[in-house]
Amino acid sequence: AAGVIQSPRHLIKEKRETATLKCYPIPRHDTVYWYQQGPGQDPQFLISFYEKMQSDKGSIPDRFSAQQFSDYHSELNMSSLELGDSALYFCASRLGGSSYNSPLHFGNGTRLTVT
Amino acid sequence: AQSVSQHNHHVILSEAASLELGCNYSYGGTVNLFWYVQYPGQHLQLLLKYFSGDPLVKGIKGFEAEFIKSKFSFNLRKPSVQWSDTAEYFCAVKNNQGGKLIFGQGTELSVKP
Repeated sequence: AAGVIQSPRHLIKEKRETATLKCYPIPRHDTVYWYQQGPGQDPQFLISFYEKMQSDKGSIPDRFSAQQFSDYHSELNMSSLELGDSALYFCASRLGGSSYNSPLHFGNGTRLTVT
Repeated sequence: AQSVSQHNHHVILSEAASLELGCNYSYGGTVNLFWYVQYPGQHLQLLLKYFSGDPLVKGIKGFEAEFIKSKFSFNLRKPSVQWSDTAEYFCAVKNNQGGKLIFGQGTELSVKP
C-alpha cells in the first residue's frame, strides 16, 4: 500500500542556508502534519494543513513556513538555518481533518543536518 | 495545556519478560489515545489506538493497552517481549479539537536476547 513519502531522506546544509522539505501524503489524504524530532527528543508538532489551509500551528519558528498544494502535498521551507534545526522532520497524513477518528500515518522523515 | 507523561525513559528486559509502559495524560475532555513504535532507523508506526468502547485495546504484535479514565492512563502491555521489540515507544493523545497529536517523551525499550 502507498505510504507517506518524504523527500529528501537526508539533507546537509550550512548555517544561514535555506532548505525545503517535501511531503507527499497517502493518496486521498487531505490533512498533513509536520513534526520535528530533535536528537533524543519526542516529536514536536510544528504545523498542520487541512484542505490546503493551515489548520493548526505549534512550535514552528518564524524562520519556517509551510504550505499545502492543490494535490495535497506539502512543503516545509526553512530559512536562516541554525545548528539547533538539526533534527528529523516527520510528515504525517490522515483523511478528513481533525474531526475524523483516523490515525496519523507517518513518513520516514527527512534528517536535516546543519553544519 | 495538554501533556503526556511517560514514566520510564529506558527499560531493559530479557526475552520472555512481561512489559508494561506507563502513560498518563492531562486533559479533561474526550481524547483519542495512541501508542506508536519507532524501530531503529525507521519511522513512527501505529501500534494501537483507543477512540471509544472497550477500554482494553489490542494492537499488532501482541501489544495491548488499557484506558483507565479515572487515572488518565493508557498503559501499554505485552505478556512476553521478544528481541525484535527493541524500539522506542511513544504514547500520544489527540483531543477532538485541532487534531494534532501530543506525544510523550518516549520510552526506549531494550530487550536482551
